Amino acid sequence: QKEVEQDPGPLSVPEGAIVSLNCTYSNSAFQYFMWYRQYSRKGPELLMYTYSSGNKEDGRFTAQVDKSSKYISLFIRDSQPSDSATYLCAMGSSNTGKLIFGQGTTLQVKP
Amino acid sequence: NAGVTQTPKFQVLKTGQSMTLQCAQDMNHNSMYWYRQDPGMGLRLIYYSASEGTTDKGEVPNGYNVSRLNKREFSLRLESAAPSQTSVYFCASKELGLDSYGYTFGSGTRLTVV
Repeated sequence: QKEVEQDPGPLSVPEGAIVSLNCTYSNSAFQYFMWYRQYSRKGPELLMYTYSSGNKEDGRFTAQVDKSSKYISLFIRDSQPSDSATYLCAMGSSNTGKLIFGQGTTLQVKP
Repeated sequence: NAGVTQTPKFQVLKTGQSMTLQCAQDMNHNSMYWYRQDPGMGLRLIYYSASEGTTDKGEVPNGYNVSRLNKREFSLRLESAAPSQTSVYFCASKELGLDSYGYTFGSGTRLTVV
């Protein structure tokens, strides 16, 4: 069993839809949780960061962490074609900064 | 522009050849990482350097070596390339500590081993 599981999709939605992306994990030592966005043939870029449990909102994006269920989510409201990308969850537990990544979910938002 | 620079961007190797992937960052970050990305596998850590002068193995270190040349530069070497090492390689850096947020990634090196 992988430490971090993420449905690879692909996920296709119409413009304006609410998108929900999810990851589950098995290591209860994980303390910080991130979402990265990766456009085709580019490096990943940090989208959201959450330390421990709770919600964090940034514009159209909301990240949620439920440590009791070992489950994290990223919600995208009013999705736009420019949101079409691969979304990777990542999590870590130590000062070395090692992150374990999910497989990534490919999202397509159709105009 | 500040960030992480990887060279080369593309490379084709024959089985058994060697090469070094170069990575440099100009953000004065302490920690640097090498990941590989394969379809359906996400990003997997090859080696990392938590600070200058230290290196440690990640999840998939076999067939690779690294050198932390100085605070800015972290190279990845394939001594005898194999087709299984065909992948996209990403270098990343971050500041040490839990209060620093996330990695900065380079744009990747696409390596094909034939």
